[in-house]
Amino acid sequence: EIVLTQSPATLSLSPGERATLSCRASQSVSSYLAWYQQKPGQAPRLLIYDASNRATGIPARFSGSGSGTDFTLTISSLEPEDFAVYYCQQRSNWPTFGQGTKLEIK
Amino acid sequence: QVQLVESGGGVVQPGGSLRLSCAASGFTFSSYGMHWVRQAPGKGLEWVAFIRYDGSNKYYADSVKGRFTISRDNSKNTLYLQMNSLRAEDTAVYYCAKDTPDDRYYFDYWGQGTLVTVSS
Repeated sequence: EIVLTQSPATLSLSPGERATLSCRASQSVSSYLAWYQQKPGQAPRLLIYDASNRATGIPARFSGSGSGTDFTLTISSLEPEDFAVYYCQQRSNWPTFGQGTKLEIK
Repeated sequence: QVQLVESGGGVVQPGGSLRLSCAASGFTFSSYGMHWVRQAPGKGLEWVAFIRYDGSNKYYADSVKGRFTISRDNSKNTLYLQMNSLRAEDTAVYYCAKDTPDDRYYFDYWGQGTLVTVSS
């Protein structure tokens, strides 16, 4: 099983700041990595797939990068609605998710 | 617009059974693979099972293999999850999720989830 480790566990930032979230895989997943956003009481929402492709309707302030074992989700300028939990997910083997990064308002 | 609506959750005793349903609309259900993903209270996401668009292939997480069965009825645009021999650790919100084109194992639309509680 491919293990995904996200860091940091919690990130405290203010609106307008830049957020950088990391996801590391226990072995190479090529570019087969996605990012999801989940708000309390809601289902996850697909943001990024294949490491760097934005899903339909996702604002341009969200971007993804990386390949192999190290990946990054960047939110260029935080909006109030961006504070949520973010999960990475690999599909190179059977799908597994990271444990999540909580992005909270500072 | 794509809609996925789960139902069938509830409280069940350990060792019991439950069948979840997911009614799909807003897309050609018979053309897409579908998944079940679960989330234990306050925890992260765990993939549970996948079924191809035509039901020809099914795959399961090791944690549910032999106990859960995924199926679909394309004439009713409905996905199912039959859960047997339930354990306390199966307690979670269960989401159905649509796969992206060509069974890429990404989840581009999700239902609102249905809560399953396994407790005596």
